[in-house]
Amino acid sequence: DAGVIQSPRHEVTEMGQEVTLRCKPISGHDYLFWYRQTMMRGLELLIYFNNNVPIDDSGMPEDRFSAKMPNASFSTLKIQPSEPRDSAVYFCASRTGTTFYEQYFGPGTRLTVT
Amino acid sequence: AQSVTQLGSHVSVSEGALVLLRCNYSSSVPPYLFWYVQYPNQGLQLLLKYTSAATLVKGINGFEAEFKKSETSFHLTKPSAHMSDAAEYFCAVSDESGSARQLTFGSGTQLTVLP
Repeated sequence: DAGVIQSPRHEVTEMGQEVTLRCKPISGHDYLFWYRQTMMRGLELLIYFNNNVPIDDSGMPEDRFSAKMPNASFSTLKIQPSEPRDSAVYFCASRTGTTFYEQYFGPGTRLTVT
Repeated sequence: AQSVTQLGSHVSVSEGALVLLRCNYSSSVPPYLFWYVQYPNQGLQLLLKYTSAATLVKGINGFEAEFKKSETSFHLTKPSAHMSDAAEYFCAVSDESGSARQLTFGSGTQLTVLP
């Protein structure tokens, strides 16, 4: 299995630009999670999906952030417009509904907004 | 509500010495507990998990953790540290209350292994 795939691995953009992060979960996993990791705030859950439906988006910082999961093998996290304080590493993770909640993480996307 | 406290944001040990990383949890029901490791510029990798089958759990790379209900602890240990163990370690908890399908992570412990 290829594991959770994220792209791009690194993204540098200017303030005000739109940023789209992509994730392909492990095949057969029906839960998908988006996290943000910063030195100041640690690992934060932004949103998660079950069977492509958003279940809890209470961690999404503001309306500039949006996430979609159009099918079982693809999800996007979009920031529009981006701001310097959005600079962080964004992780996608997935799991099945039959395990003990263990999640499998992708390698992350390091976002830098200048 | 569930929560995790990791004592010590930074731990340094000498190569060959015992590794002990501390984790205490709060949960209203019997929890599932996890340790993840994050190497530089990588995602989190599952080290081991407690799911009530056995209180002493063995994981990858020689790590193990013991679930102690009376102490609400799930400390991670390794008898002999190796240079390759240098990484950040996260404890996480999941239970059936509240948002039952997500993990709550601790703030992490950075392990440094000295030659």
